[in-house]
Amino acid sequence: GAVVSQHPSRVICKSGTSVKIECRSLDFQATTMFWYRQFPKKSLMLMATSNEGSKATYEQGVEKDKFLINHASLTLSTLTVTSAHPEDSSFYICSAWDARPLSYGYTFGSGTRLTVV
Amino acid sequence: DAKTTQPPSMDCAEGRAANLPCNHSTISGNEYVYWYRQIHSQGPQYIIHGLKNNETNEMASLIITEDRKSSTLILPHATLRDTAVYYCIVRGVQGGSEKLVFGKGTKLTVNP
Repeated sequence: GAVVSQHPSRVICKSGTSVKIECRSLDFQATTMFWYRQFPKKSLMLMATSNEGSKATYEQGVEKDKFLINHASLTLSTLTVTSAHPEDSSFYICSAWDARPLSYGYTFGSGTRLTVV
Repeated sequence: DAKTTQPPSMDCAEGRAANLPCNHSTISGNEYVYWYRQIHSQGPQYIIHGLKNNETNEMASLIITEDRKSSTLILPHATLRDTAVYYCIVRGVQGGSEKLVFGKGTKLTVNP
C-alpha cells in the first residue's frame, strides 16, 4: 500500500516565526502532492497543488508568499508557513498522488497541528 | 466547489449496516466517485471509489445509480471505530494533477 508520512505531527511556534512541514511518500514516487488546511469542525480546504520540479499552483485566496511550497524531489514536498500569526493555527494535511497501476490514487498524511502563540 | 451533497449527520447501531447517501447530479461521464473518511484529528483514509459499476472491497460497498447522479456507501457491519466524517468526492480522470475537493461530509456516529 501507499504510505505518506507527514512531520511534525504537532508544532507550537511564536508569532512572527516560520514553520516548515514535511510530506514524504515512503514507498512510491509522487510527482504531484496537495496541501490542505482544516479548521475545527470544518472540512478540508485545498490550499495548493505541488508539482515536482515546478512552481506550486495555489487556490484562490491563498497567499503564495506566506505559504511557501517546495517539491524538490519525487518523494518530498514541504510547506513553510512564514511569519506565522495566531490565525494560521490550523490542521495542515498533505496528500500524494500515486500513479502506479492498481493504486487508488490519493494517500493522505496524518496531518500537522500548528498552534501559533 | 464540491460537486456533492451529503446529509450532515447520521446515526447507526453497532453491528448494523450503515448506508451513507451522496448526491452528485452534475457528475460527468468521465468522473469517478471517491469515498474517504476522517477520524478525529487524523488524515483522511481511503475507503473505495468507482466509475459506473458497483464496487466492493474489504471495507465497504459502493452502489452507484444507473444515471450516476447518486451513490450510497455501505458499511455492512458498523463498529464503534467506524465513527468518523465520511466524504463523498467526485473527481475527473485527467490524471494525478486532478485535485480532490472536499465537501462538508457526513458525520456518522455508531452507537453501542
